[in-house]
Amino acid sequence: DTGVSQDPRHKITKRGQNVTFRCDPISEHNRLYWYRQTLGQGPEFLTYFQNEAQLEKSRLLSDRFSAERPKGSFSTLEIQRTEQGDSAMYLCASSPQSGAGTEAFFGQGTRLTVV
Amino acid sequence: GESVGLHLPTLSVQEGDNSIINCAYSNSASDYFIWYKQESGKGPQFIIDIRSNMDKRQGQRVTVLLNKTVKHLSLQIAATQPGDSAVYFCAEIIGNEKLTFGTGTRLTIIP
Repeated sequence: DTGVSQDPRHKITKRGQNVTFRCDPISEHNRLYWYRQTLGQGPEFLTYFQNEAQLEKSRLLSDRFSAERPKGSFSTLEIQRTEQGDSAMYLCASSPQSGAGTEAFFGQGTRLTVV
Repeated sequence: GESVGLHLPTLSVQEGDNSIINCAYSNSASDYFIWYKQESGKGPQFIIDIRSNMDKRQGQRVTVLLNKTVKHLSLQIAATQPGDSAVYFCAEIIGNEKLTFGTGTRLTIIP
């Protein structure tokens, strides 16, 4: 499978616990995006990387959230001290630098449930 | 607030008929508009895009129309099939950066 891969697909955690999600983009893509999607809503931008550099972070990304892309390949999104409001689908997308946005390919997402 | 929004949250169409999904936007600086299809449990799938300097673009069974005067975008799907049932999002890009999505329209195809 050469598409965007996210792991895990589902995560149930207790409030206050930390969780980490992983995204493996399409190998030749330089840009990697994280989005959050709640039921009935469109995906909301969280952050994106150009290679290993994190270029922009949304105000939605509180200090409990951190994202990394240490070698410019896979990325991780960590949520510390999870809250019930963090329950959502977390989507990762990647795109080639020249086609940023218009050629963004999304993964299947990680569905987080905080209980 | 969100710059991109959709007129209708749900749309039901008879199989074989054409469907039109509408979207309004407010940011005149948008460079690209994109339509995505999202099936249950899956990530959004790119359908078609259009640059802000175009009025119309056609793909296979889909056509996107852009009216910059009234800041309106539409997706037309011809001869709808059961597999077209999904949620459709319009999204915009400003400055070749991130996508900003609207709320979505759920399209249901009636057999």
